[in-house]
Amino acid sequence: GESVGLHLPTLSVQEGDNSIINCAYSNSASDYFIWYKQESGKGPQFIIDIRSNMDKRQGQRVTVLLNKTVKHLSLQIAATQPGDSAVYFCAENNPLGGSARQLTFGSGTQLTVLP
Amino acid sequence: NAGVTQTPKFQVLKTGQSMTLQCAQDMNHNSMYWYRQDPGMGLRLIYYSASEGTTDKGEVPNGYNVSRLNKREFSLRLESAAPSQTSVYFCASSIVGIFTGELFFGEGSRLTVL
Repeated sequence: GESVGLHLPTLSVQEGDNSIINCAYSNSASDYFIWYKQESGKGPQFIIDIRSNMDKRQGQRVTVLLNKTVKHLSLQIAATQPGDSAVYFCAENNPLGGSARQLTFGSGTQLTVLP
Repeated sequence: NAGVTQTPKFQVLKTGQSMTLQCAQDMNHNSMYWYRQDPGMGLRLIYYSASEGTTDKGEVPNGYNVSRLNKREFSLRLESAAPSQTSVYFCASSIVGIFTGELFFGEGSRLTVL
């Protein structure tokens, strides 16, 4: 897993601008990645996922890019809205035993949308 | 459809006390998990249950026990709480499938150990 600290990286963007949140992962054998959004006082919520055989995947207003060479993920949010303010985590999703999956989380990025 | 439900949402314990966090999911998922989240950090896996009748240790299992009561319910027990167990605890569940491994999380249980 990744090292973690007490202070989250932060990103502030103006409402309407695009946001790019970056994440470095550690396990070169990881084959599946997920981005989660966590609002204050709530559990993480799925945003978008990508398999290791893809470089890019698009959802509604969100795009995930995967660069396996440098073990890097990014989440792009188009036309950022106040409701996008949250902590964003990338997670490596790998098999455990049976049907279980192991999520290894990064330390997260706090996104703040400015009016 | 409630998804993943955790109780209690808040709890304060004294060092050495015991308690059980309850978790239930109504999505017919096979796998269930318990994570803890400390300030400024990502979630760390405590225990998981790949299917009914099985439980296994995750990254940080010391000081905890779990019970997979049935397919719906997965409880986390602290036998003798310590201040280091002050954290927010999240239960999660997932469906079967290699590339459908999205985890669904509950709202969290905030535990303070004095």
